Amino acid sequence: DGGITQSPKYLFRKEGQNVTLSCEQNLNHDAMYWYRQDPGQGLRLIYYSQIVNDFQKGDIAEGYSVSREKKESFPLTVTSAQKNPTAFYLCASSDGEGYEQYFGPGTRLTVT
Amino acid sequence: GQQVMQIPQYQHVQEGEDFTTYCNSSTTLSNIQWYKQRPGGHPVFLIQLVKSGEVKKQKRLTFQFGEAKKNSSLHITATQTTDVGTYFCAGPGGGGSNYKLTFGKGTLLTVNP
Repeated sequence: DGGITQSPKYLFRKEGQNVTLSCEQNLNHDAMYWYRQDPGQGLRLIYYSQIVNDFQKGDIAEGYSVSREKKESFPLTVTSAQKNPTAFYLCASSDGEGYEQYFGPGTRLTVT
Repeated sequence: GQQVMQIPQYQHVQEGEDFTTYCNSSTTLSNIQWYKQRPGGHPVFLIQLVKSGEVKKQKRLTFQFGEAKKNSSLHITATQTTDVGTYFCAGPGGGGSNYKLTFGKGTLLTVNP
């Protein structure tokens, strides 16, 4: 089965802790993305990567970091500097520039 | 920067009624994409429109891309309870990169059986 996996589905952390969200794809896509979704809101782009070993900031990158060491993997770290980290985090991939994006099932992060 | 606006934000219909959501971009788009997100789920790609004035149909869903390639609409005929969810439009090219998609805030459709 081809697709995108994200783990875990639910994640709980205490304030002040860094947390890393996993995203893996076996679609052989070059581009990968991280979005944040808050209730009643659209999708806001955190970071994206066009190719391995390269990534760019999206619209709300502050307090987040990423790496892209392998084509299949694009983990997102939510650092303690992120002021409001509680949200639904979605990972996506695409086959190239302007193509449709395929989304993983998401991780709901709650920080208290 | 590029902005994509959708109206209405919410729409509640009786089953069998029609539904339309509208999408407007502040810039001309190379294409427009539509996604559906079921409650508690993740966005799923529905369709991409590329040509000016293009109209595409998927069963009861009709998608249109405006002549100026700045607006689009999704029309559902005779809604069913399975149509419940949030419908997002998205256009590439925000921030100077066609890899980036700018999403509208979506229209949440609820259907009363």
